[in-house]
Amino acid sequence: ELKVEQNPLFLSMQEGKNYTIYCNYSTTSDRLYWYRQDPGKSLESLFVLLSNGAVKQEGRLMASLDTKARLSTLHITAAVHDLSATYFCAVVPGNTPLVFGKGTRLSVIA
Amino acid sequence: NAGVTQTPKFQVLKTGQSMTLQCAQDMNHNSMYWYRQDPGMGLRLIYYSASEGTTDKGEVPNGYNVSRLNKREFSLRLESAAPSQTSVYFCASSDPPGQNSYEQYFGPGTRLTVT
Repeated sequence: ELKVEQNPLFLSMQEGKNYTIYCNYSTTSDRLYWYRQDPGKSLESLFVLLSNGAVKQEGRLMASLDTKARLSTLHITAAVHDLSATYFCAVVPGNTPLVFGKGTRLSVIA
Repeated sequence: NAGVTQTPKFQVLKTGQSMTLQCAQDMNHNSMYWYRQDPGMGLRLIYYSASEGTTDKGEVPNGYNVSRLNKREFSLRLESAAPSQTSVYFCASSDPPGQNSYEQYFGPGTRLTVT
């Protein structure tokens, strides 16, 4: 059974600090997706990582993919309150729909 | 472009009632999906349609049926609603696997409560 595990599931961090969210998956996937969800809203695509070693950055967020280790990281630099949201990773096990992790609920506090 | 639209936004049903959730996309995507989201469970796939005329079960299909009406529209039907189907339902669409980035685009969601 495919497992997509995110760590941590809950994260409370202070403004200005750095932190990393981890996404491990149990089967081969050559691509990985990160989504953001604000409370009561839909999912918004953040990053699409299409190959081993891919790194993408947008503002204070940077995502990377290591397909050999079956690991993706979402690094937050100098957190601000606006980054408070739930972050999901998702993988593609072959020609099938995305499989999502359970999400990491991030709260950035002053 | 409206992207992916869903109706209704909110719905309250009594146990045993039926209803259909509607989804439409204007991005000319071949593939469409229905997910449910429950607290602490992430998104779980109910059904998907890889292309017009095909549908397949996902992780949690029991109690649901789907219809891919045409390339744009994909509906989800609850024949006899149960309290366990209280959830937020998201529709999504994408290009098929292997085509472009295969990124999924999500609708705004339907919040369903079954009493």
